[in-house]
Amino acid sequence: EDKVVQSPLSLVVHEGDTVTLNCSYEVTNFRSLLWYKQEKKAPTFLFMLTSSGIEKKSGRLSSILDKKELFSILNITATQTGDSAVYLCAVKATNNNDMRFGAGTRLTVKP
Amino acid sequence: DTGVSQDPRHKITKRGQNVTFRCDPISEHNRLYWYRQTLGQGPEFLTYFQNEAQLEKSRLLSDRFSAERPKGSFSTLEIQRTEQGDSAMYLCASSLGPNNEKLFFGSGTQLSVL
Repeated sequence: EDKVVQSPLSLVVHEGDTVTLNCSYEVTNFRSLLWYKQEKKAPTFLFMLTSSGIEKKSGRLSSILDKKELFSILNITATQTGDSAVYLCAVKATNNNDMRFGAGTRLTVKP
Repeated sequence: DTGVSQDPRHKITKRGQNVTFRCDPISEHNRLYWYRQTLGQGPEFLTYFQNEAQLEKSRLLSDRFSAERPKGSFSTLEIQRTEQGDSAMYLCASSLGPNNEKLFFGSGTQLSVL
């Protein structure tokens, strides 16, 4: 069965720290991996990764995929209190229409 | 606002009652998804529509759950004879179409079954 595992489940840091969130997966017929940020209700899209070794970057956030080792990381540098949220990793296979999500990492950034 | 909208935002019901939720996707999106999320877990896939056709349903989806998208625009999710275990956030998402995995989520309907 397809599986997406995120670690850590929760993380508390102080403003200015750098964090690395992990996502490992076991999916047959992998197509893409996506990262979402969920602050209160609606998850919002951050990145989509399909190719190994190509870093996606948006401001202080960046992400990279390793298709050989079946994992992705999401880095956040110079964290701010507004980064506090649950970060979700999701994987899409080529042979079905659903997207399998991990349980998320709850990040708390303290001032 | 042209995002995905869901109604109601919160629903409290007694066990055994039927409930219906509505989702209005982004207008040009032909794919619509329903997910369920419980505390501390990621969203769990329930069902998927392409236009008005329901193309996929989770094997875990009880037959008390039914979804429709009658004209390929808004969708409804009905839960019959609710149980306490149905308490969860029900999220709707939409996307543009084939080869476009980027989902846009609504804010969800929080269901509490007493």
